[in-house]
Amino acid sequence: DAKTTQPPSMDCAEGRAANLPCNHSTISGNEYVYWYRQIHSQGPQYIIHGLKNNETNEMASLIITEDRKSSTLILPHATLRDTAVYYCIVRSRIGANNLFFGTGTRLTVIP
Amino acid sequence: DSGVTQTPKHLITATGQRVTLRCSPRSGDLSVYWYQQSLDQGLQFLIQYYNGEERAKGNILERFSAQQFPDLHSELNLSSLELGDSALYFCASSVDPDSYEQYFGPGTRLTVT
Repeated sequence: DAKTTQPPSMDCAEGRAANLPCNHSTISGNEYVYWYRQIHSQGPQYIIHGLKNNETNEMASLIITEDRKSSTLILPHATLRDTAVYYCIVRSRIGANNLFFGTGTRLTVIP
Repeated sequence: DSGVTQTPKHLITATGQRVTLRCSPRSGDLSVYWYQQSLDQGLQFLIQYYNGEERAKGNILERFSAQQFPDLHSELNLSSLELGDSALYFCASSVDPDSYEQYFGPGTRLTVT
């Protein structure tokens, strides 16, 4: 499985877009990019996933570069409730299907 | 609310004891996963069940065991507890057994004293 690199922490002003980067330079062709977040001591929450194309849902947008070596999770209008640790996970659909959570990015939304 | 329920919410017990954690998956989900989150280890996958059968095993200790019942709820049994077993234990569920789109419960906080 490809290793991911995320900044340990980021701040974002409330109401602004939060852009969370993730590097996965060793990603292989059959590996998806998944994003989860964990609000303090709560269960992780699935946000979005993608393979090649950009994806958008009611929570966020996922932008994957053309070479697939990096991606950005965008929260379009961050609120205080978006303060959490965000995990970028790269996994193949084949093989072990457990999620591997690294250290993630601690996003703090500032009023 | 993810639809996954876990009981109890908190559990305090002594070393050497045995406890059982319970999880009910979202309606319609056949697959259940157990994860452990301790301060120094982060989130670690323990074990997965699908439709009553063990499907995948992670870093689960021999002192720990799990099962999934015909009604699809699952139990995680932890025995001979040690101080280092103190952690948050999360259950997750998914429709597809190969899915990484998993829905997590609120967790059970276990404290071993």
